[in-house]
Amino acid sequence: DADVTQTPRNRITKTGKRIMLECSQTKGHDRMYWYRQDPGLGLRLIYYSFDVKDINKGEISDGYSVSRQAQAKFSLSLESAIPNQTALYFCATSDNRGGQPQHFGDGTRLSIL
Amino acid sequence: KNQVEQSPQSLIILEGKNCTLQCNYTVSPFSNLRWYKQDTGRGPVSLTIMTFSENTKSNGRYTATLDADTKQSSLHITASQLSDSASYICVVSLTDSWGKFQFGAGTQVVVTP
Repeated sequence: DADVTQTPRNRITKTGKRIMLECSQTKGHDRMYWYRQDPGLGLRLIYYSFDVKDINKGEISDGYSVSRQAQAKFSLSLESAIPNQTALYFCATSDNRGGQPQHFGDGTRLSIL
Repeated sequence: KNQVEQSPQSLIILEGKNCTLQCNYTVSPFSNLRWYKQDTGRGPVSLTIMTFSENTKSNGRYTATLDADTKQSSLHITASQLSDSASYICVVSLTDSWGKFQFGAGTQVVVTP
């Protein structure tokens, strides 16, 4: 099994719909992250969580929300999807030693029509 | 303005040849720098990580160098293989306690037979 699993891998939906992307990890890491990747741009941080009770906004959190249901699970929601949220979304984890994320999922390709 | 600039944006090399990718950053204070490899349709995979006191770090045919004085890093690929075709991403950490990092946009490498 993959260390970080994202579901779904692909999703096409319409403007205004609510969407949830899910992430689960088997690394036992406390820190989890959601990133967005657009062509020609570096990954941008949406939200991050250092433990179940600690949720923090990243640089582009507007229009997104998250839930840390357990140490192993971190979900990302788009409350009312809009076309400019079309992107590749990655979940990542790291241990408490700090530094950049150590493990990434394989991404969710989201298209909003 | 992105504080982590990677060059070139893309390059094509012949199988068996060497190549060097560049990463220049302006973030400060600097904590560490990590290089990732991202295959098409997959999440980034960590190749090397260096703190400000380290000058070089190797991982098989991949060798990263760091000059903290000039704020430059490079990733050298030796004897390239077809499987090296991927995007290579440089990520700089300001501090290891905030969960926020600066990602470069990546260099797309294509290795041809």
